[in-house]
Amino acid sequence: QQQVKQSPQSLIVQKGGISIINCAYENTAFDYFPWYQQFPGKGPALLIAIRPDVSEKKEGRFTISFNKSAKQFSLHIMDSQPGDSATYFCAATRGFKTIFGAGTRLFVKA
Amino acid sequence: EAQVTQNPRYLITVTGKKLTVTCSQNMNHEYMSWYRQDPGLGLRQIYYSMNVEVTDKGDVPEGYKVSRKEKRNFPLILESPSPNQTSLYFCASSLTSPSTDTQYFGPGTRLTVL
Repeated sequence: QQQVKQSPQSLIVQKGGISIINCAYENTAFDYFPWYQQFPGKGPALLIAIRPDVSEKKEGRFTISFNKSAKQFSLHIMDSQPGDSATYFCAATRGFKTIFGAGTRLFVKA
Repeated sequence: EAQVTQNPRYLITVTGKKLTVTCSQNMNHEYMSWYRQDPGLGLRQIYYSMNVEVTDKGDVPEGYKVSRKEKRNFPLILESPSPNQTSLYFCASSLTSPSTDTQYFGPGTRLTVL
């Protein structure tokens, strides 16, 4: 089965620090790599996404780094804030199918 | 307001009692999908629909049925629920496909099967 492996499972970061979440995939046919943010009691919401022909994408404090040869991608949250405390999911999409990572629970200490 | 709605939000039922979870979107999206979320497993795709009357299996379709008779609605049917279908379910939609357009998720339905 196609897999997307995500680490760490949980992460505690001080306010103002950098949060880093990593993902690895197996299938080179994936053509879209989104990150989702989920708050308790809510559905996931798209945070930022990248295509495999781009090595980095930045939107505000959020950056995706993409390493096609290593089949890895990561989310960096700069200047982490308590409001960033949530569960983050990486995903890989091909056509109409999406495979999600297991999720990372981020807690930003004030 | 553009949104994906699901009903009910919470449901407790017993093994074998047929149930339907409804999903509706008001964004005129062609693509809709159902996922289940379980601790440590992330979200797993159950079924998806590329357009009216066109559906296909995701990674975990066993025990579920879907139908897409109207563009806005995509109900999930459990004809004989079992305890291993206890989970948090999400419906999602996107304009044409999740690899070209943003996927919008509903608020979730927490299902418990006793």
